[in-house]
Amino acid sequence: DIQMTQSPSSLSASVGDRVTITCRASQSIGSSVSWYQQKPGKAPNLLIYAASSLQSGVPSGFSGSGSGTDFTLTVSSLQVEDFATYYCQQTFNTPYTFGQGTKLEIK
Amino acid sequence: QLQLQESGPGLVKPSETLSLSCSVSGGSISSSSHYWDWIRQPPGKGLEWIGNIFYSGITYYNPSLKSRVTMSVDTSKNQFSLNLSSVTAADTALYYCARHTGRLNYFDSWGHGILVTVSS
Repeated sequence: DIQMTQSPSSLSASVGDRVTITCRASQSIGSSVSWYQQKPGKAPNLLIYAASSLQSGVPSGFSGSGSGTDFTLTVSSLQVEDFATYYCQQTFNTPYTFGQGTKLEIK
Repeated sequence: QLQLQESGPGLVKPSETLSLSCSVSGGSISSSSHYWDWIRQPPGKGLEWIGNIFYSGITYYNPSLKSRVTMSVDTSKNQFSLNLSSVTAADTALYYCARHTGRLNYFDSWGHGILVTVSS
């Protein structure tokens, strides 16, 4: 299985901050990475697919980059509604696997 | 607007079979562009992909669960199902169904999830 190592596992930040979350794959996976946001009691919500494509309806403050083994999700200016848990996912090979999650909290 | 809704018992006894269904509305399960997936999340933990099914019945399962998982699809009812046999407490989780767009492999629509507890 391809392991996705996400960092940090938690992050405290303030409204207006720029934050970056990193995901490293255990082998090269091209651009087969998606990023999801999950709020308490809710299903994950797709933010980014194919490493850098913004899902329709997602604010432009979210962006993704990377290829091969290293990927990043960036939020350019944190809003109150962005405080949530974020997961990366590889879909290069089955079984599709997720990172362990990054909990983004208000400082 | 595509909607997915999980249904099934919220409590299953150890060693029995967990059976869930996912009803799809606002779109056809017979789409040639999509797969239909199950993902689970133990309370307070991360996400685990269980497997998926295509409308034709082709399935892909996570090897870690493969010996216990069966998925099926009913195109006439626009729904798909998950059976997980010989459950233990480790199978207690929030179970989500989701639509998976095949070409770029992303999960763009999810159900709300259903909590299944394994306990006697």
